[in-house]
Amino acid sequence: DQQVKQNSPSLSVQEGRISILNCDYTNSMFDYFLWYKKYPAEGPTFLISISSIKDKNEDGRFTVFLNKSAKHLSLHIVPSQPGDSAVYFCAASASDYKLSFGAGTTVTVRA
Amino acid sequence: DAGVIQSPRHEVTEMGQEVTLRCKPISGHDYLFWYRQTMMRGLELLIYFNNNVPIDDSGMPEDRFSAKMPNASFSTLKIQPSEPRDSAVYFCASSPSDGSKEQYFGPGTRLTVT
Repeated sequence: DQQVKQNSPSLSVQEGRISILNCDYTNSMFDYFLWYKKYPAEGPTFLISISSIKDKNEDGRFTVFLNKSAKHLSLHIVPSQPGDSAVYFCAASASDYKLSFGAGTTVTVRA
Repeated sequence: DAGVIQSPRHEVTEMGQEVTLRCKPISGHDYLFWYRQTMMRGLELLIYFNNNVPIDDSGMPEDRFSAKMPNASFSTLKIQPSEPRDSAVYFCASSPSDGSKEQYFGPGTRLTVT
């Protein structure tokens, strides 16, 4: 059963605009959340993370928001750039070091 | 550091053959993970090690799959005998035990079983 869900398989956004990616989880034991970015023929690379004691974490153009009561997190990319075109995975962890991944959202940034 | 190294990058084999995938984690990382990515199931964890000891192998699909980590710098994932449904991209990742839980992935091995 998928404990981490990314219900939007794809997202198309114009360069310079905001990209918003969403992720929902079902396991209330998850206390750490991460976003990964993946280009074709490469492994996923870490983007940004957030602990459950926070509701927001920002790193440059990337911001992750966490709503624990709704078991929902989102990744905002602003402004979107052509190099942001990739697959984005949401991941979650409980007390151990295992990560459960969502199915991914393919982002396409249009010029 | 060179990052996580996986070999081979591509493997094509016939059904019934043994396949061995290799991984060298980042030096100093205490955790090593093996994942499989398919269109149907996405990125799923197969097994992970801590200090060379298997901690959780609940994701290993069946007895045809086995993984070892004989030392801190090397791990293998073996499939014997291989089947067409094993065709996937297999990723190895490593992580330090600093609480960050950030995993560093290798480039993956694309396995095709005909």
